[in-house]
Amino acid sequence: DAKTTQPPSMDCAEGRAANLPCNHSTISGNEYVYWYRQIHSQGPQYIIHGLKNNETNEMASLIITEDRKSSTLILPHATLRDTAVYYCIVRGKAAGNKLTFGGGTRVLVKP
Amino acid sequence: GAVVSQHPSWVICKSGTSVKIECRSLDFQATTMFWYRQFPKQSLMLMATSNEGSKATYEQGVEKDKFLINHASLTLSTLTVTSAHPEDSSFYICSAGVTGLSDTQYFGPGTRLTVL
Repeated sequence: DAKTTQPPSMDCAEGRAANLPCNHSTISGNEYVYWYRQIHSQGPQYIIHGLKNNETNEMASLIITEDRKSSTLILPHATLRDTAVYYCIVRGKAAGNKLTFGGGTRVLVKP
Repeated sequence: GAVVSQHPSWVICKSGTSVKIECRSLDFQATTMFWYRQFPKQSLMLMATSNEGSKATYEQGVEKDKFLINHASLTLSTLTVTSAHPEDSSFYICSAGVTGLSDTQYFGPGTRLTVL
């Protein structure tokens, strides 16, 4: 699976949009971009995933560049409960494909 | 939907004893389940991939005789830490792959193991 690069940490203001970048320059054509987050002392929570089109759900939006070498997770209106470590992971689609976690981005939402 | 549970949520045991952790998919069937370990201030490390009805596949460096994995049904996988020692103290997390439903993995809440 392709490796990803994320900033180690970032702060954002409550109520504002949080834009989390991820680089995955070695992604292959059949690999998806998945985003998870982990709130302290809990299991990771699935957020969203995509292949090449932009995706949106009730939690977030995922913007993937045309060359697919990078993506951005957007939390439209950050709340204090969004404080967590966010992981960007690239993997093949099959359910049996393992996820490889990197360091993620530690996001702190401030009042 | 896609809820994964783990039991127990935390356990404290004495060195040398064995501890079993259960992982259940509550509202779906999971052909594949995964076990991860997470030490403080570190990321999740995959320990093994568990397929229903077959032997687990362990990641390099993970002792298969120490971390016994059984995936007897499509909704249950167990991890047994045998002869636990203080260095096995960690946060153990399972996930289940949902075939057909975006092929997404959903995670359990984790089990905090402390070995005294």
